[in-house]
Amino acid sequence: EIVLTQSPGTLSLSPGERATLSCRASQSVSSSYLAWYQQKPGQAPRLLIYGASSRATGIPDRFSGSGSGTDFTLTISRLEPEDFAVYYCQQYDSSPYTFGRGTKLEIE
Amino acid sequence: EVQLLDSGGNLIQPGGSLRLSCVASGFTFSNYAMSWVRQAPGKGLEWVSGIRGDGGTTFYAESVKGRFTISRDNSKNTLYLHMNSLRADDTAVYYCAKCRGSSLTYYFDYWGQGTLVTVSS
Repeated sequence: EIVLTQSPGTLSLSPGERATLSCRASQSVSSSYLAWYQQKPGQAPRLLIYGASSRATGIPDRFSGSGSGTDFTLTISRLEPEDFAVYYCQQYDSSPYTFGRGTKLEIE
Repeated sequence: EVQLLDSGGNLIQPGGSLRLSCVASGFTFSNYAMSWVRQAPGKGLEWVSGIRGDGGTTFYAESVKGRFTISRDNSKNTLYLHMNSLRADDTAVYYCAKCRGSSLTYYFDYWGQGTLVTVSS
């Protein structure tokens, strides 16, 4: 099983600042089969990034993904008030298709 | 417009059984793999089970293997999760999620609204 470790657990920033979220895999994720999701309270998750760096339809370009192998990063260049939420990475390389524990992005 | 409507969640006693359903619309259901993902109260996301578009292959998390069965009826555009021998730690919101392709090696591009399963005496 591929274990995904997200850090930090909580990130406190202000609107306009840059956010950098990390996702580390216990073994290499083939073909960068790594996705990022955003979840707000009471809502279903929303796809942000797939293939480690491709933005999903309708996702603003302030969101970007990078990385390969075992180290992946989600960057939000300039935080907007609506970006404060929980972010999860997920690998879809092999079953079980595991998620990280999430990073909570909160307003400082 | 893609829509996934989850239903079937309920309060159930430990050891009981329940069937969840997810009715899909807005896409050719049989062309896409589907999964169930759950979220315990205040916790993160956990992938539970997945099924290929043709229904021929299924996968399960170790935590539910032997107790849960995923299935689909492509003629009814419906995904199911049959849950047996339910335990307190199965309590969660269960989401159905659509994969981007016919196999499970694709990300989840659409999610249902979730249905709550509570296992308690």
